[in-house]
Amino acid sequence: QQPVQSPQAVILREGEDAVINCSSSKALYSVHWYRQKHGEAPVFLMILLKGGEQKGHEKISASFNEKKQQSSLYLTASQLSYSGTYFCGTEMDSSYKLIFGSGTRLLVRP
Amino acid sequence: DTGVSQNPRHKITKRGQNVTFRCDPISEHNRLYWYRQTLGQGPEFLTYFQNEAQLEKSRLLSDRFSAERPKGSFSTLEIQRTEQGDSAMYLCASSLSGETGELFFGEGSRLTVL
Repeated sequence: QQPVQSPQAVILREGEDAVINCSSSKALYSVHWYRQKHGEAPVFLMILLKGGEQKGHEKISASFNEKKQQSSLYLTASQLSYSGTYFCGTEMDSSYKLIFGSGTRLLVRP
Repeated sequence: DTGVSQNPRHKITKRGQNVTFRCDPISEHNRLYWYRQTLGQGPEFLTYFQNEAQLEKSRLLSDRFSAERPKGSFSTLEIQRTEQGDSAMYLCASSLSGETGELFFGEGSRLTVL
């Protein structure tokens, strides 16, 4: 039931782009994305509701393919501050009970 | 609004002892969640409350774990007869139903069982 994230780790140079994927074997109500920096609490990035809508702000956006039960997080023109571990959380109903993937570690170097 | 507060931040205990963690959610949030996180893994769902009602408890959670949310405000998570496998970061999060669905996490309580 835990969503599968890929890749497990990414190393980028500042300004490069990255895509992080999240897939589930179950029908989803929504997908959430969080970023966690070392020693800190996870911080909400965005939520994607079923319907395939793409959401985002600034240079971080995401999409949700309801048919495939897959979501992708797009990081464009990466900044040093993007470094951290990205988790997708999947939701089966509107309870906001999230099942998190094992995370994708992103390191952005100067 | 001071965010979600958890204490203690760190707890070291001997195997077999009982421990209790407290979570104070954002004041107007009616939903409260407990997650457990081990190194290199995503947060693992334990249980959640809507107001004072405990709506779901993970099947992975043994009977040694119990959580309460009296009066729908703060919550406590108690672990009885701790085992070394209980060592983890225990995260609390809160949210407001009907809103965006964003979970606001506390900084966690780290448990080390010797």
